Amino acid sequence: EAQVTQNPRYLITVTGKKLTVTCSQNMNHEYMSWYRQDPGLGLRQIYYSMNVEVTDKGDVPEGYKVSRKEKRNFPLILESPSPNQTSLYFCASSLFKGLEAFFGQGTRLTVV
Amino acid sequence: GEDVEQSLFLSVREGDSSVINCTYTDSSSTYLYWYKQEPGAGLQLLTYIFSNMDMKQDQRLTVLLNKKDKHLSLRIADTQTGDSAIYFCAEIVSGAGSYQLTFGKGTKLSVIP
Repeated sequence: EAQVTQNPRYLITVTGKKLTVTCSQNMNHEYMSWYRQDPGLGLRQIYYSMNVEVTDKGDVPEGYKVSRKEKRNFPLILESPSPNQTSLYFCASSLFKGLEAFFGQGTRLTVV
Repeated sequence: GEDVEQSLFLSVREGDSSVINCTYTDSSSTYLYWYKQEPGAGLQLLTYIFSNMDMKQDQRLTVLLNKKDKHLSLRIADTQTGDSAIYFCAEIVSGAGSYQLTFGKGTKLSVIP
């Protein structure tokens, strides 16, 4: 089954404690991206990757890092999380940029 | 900056038609999309329309595009309780040699039995 898998689904952490949210897709897609969803703000793109070892900033990249060492995985790293990064995060993948066809189930992150 | 505008809420009775409206900003957008987000789930690509089309129909879904007014709508015929979800309109925004998907804030559709 074609899918995008994120882990964990829920995470509560403390300010400053590094964390990683994993994202994996099984469709051999070259393009992957991360979004955050906040009430009243909709979805905003954090980072995207056009292919292995190719990543670029989206609209709200501050406080986040990503890596793309292999095509199927695109982890989101928060080196020093802060409360304003409390949000619902989605990973997406597709054949090409501009059509996010497959989304993960989401990761609800709370930073206290 | 670019903004995709949608009303935030819509309530309809089961069996009625729902119409969700969206206005977009980039007149050069080549694709416009509708996504559905059910509670606790990720976004699901529902349908899309090319900018050279006025209308696209897919079973109970009808997408209408008015390029002159930059207005996009999604009509759901015979709305069911399973259609209750948040619907996002999205456009491709191009600039500086690149392009990206820009989402509206979403319209929450509530279907009353």
